[in-house]
Amino acid sequence: DADVTQTPRNRITKTGKRIMLECSQTKGHDRMYWYRQDPGLGLQLIYYSFDVKDINKGEISDGYSVSRQAQAKFSLSLESAIPNQTALYFCATGQGSTDTQYFGPGTRLTVL
Amino acid sequence: QKEVEQNSGPLSVPEGAIASLNCTYSDRGSQSFFWYRQYSGKSPELIMSIYSNGDKEDGRFTAQLNKASQYVSLLIRDSQPSDSATYLCAVNSNSGYALNFGKGTSLLVTP
Repeated sequence: DADVTQTPRNRITKTGKRIMLECSQTKGHDRMYWYRQDPGLGLQLIYYSFDVKDINKGEISDGYSVSRQAQAKFSLSLESAIPNQTALYFCATGQGSTDTQYFGPGTRLTVL
Repeated sequence: QKEVEQNSGPLSVPEGAIASLNCTYSDRGSQSFFWYRQYSGKSPELIMSIYSNGDKEDGRFTAQLNKASQYVSLLIRDSQPSDSATYLCAVNSNSGYALNFGKGTSLLVTP
């Protein structure tokens, strides 16, 4: 079984809709991250959480919100999706002083 | 702005050759350095980590770190077509909250 899972794996939605992307992990890691990836732009950090009570904005948090429901679960929401939020979204987990991160399989989101 | 720079490529090498991928970073306080491999449409996969100056070898992969020059590299020996992917360099932030990723170098290994 995968250590980091993301649901859904693919989603097509319309402008203005609310969307939730979910991430679960069995690694037992405290840290969880949400990234988006666009062609040619690399990975951009949206939000990160070091534990259930700690949520922090990344470099591109506008238009997104998150919820850390448990140590193992970290959800990303788009309250009102817009077409330029079309991208690959990755969840990652990490632990320890080295900041090593492990990625989930990704969610391909298309906003029409 | 902490930056991690990589040549976007594509870097093309023949099968069996050594591929050399390079990365520079701006944050002198960085202590952890990573190489991830990403196939098209897939998630980044950790292949190497290095924390001290010098070389670290793992199978066909060797990571090299020079903190004085703020430079980290990845060598892939006996390159195979299956090594064709984008390689992401990542460096931890001195503030300790996240990794800074380069935009990646595309590697193409031709048979």
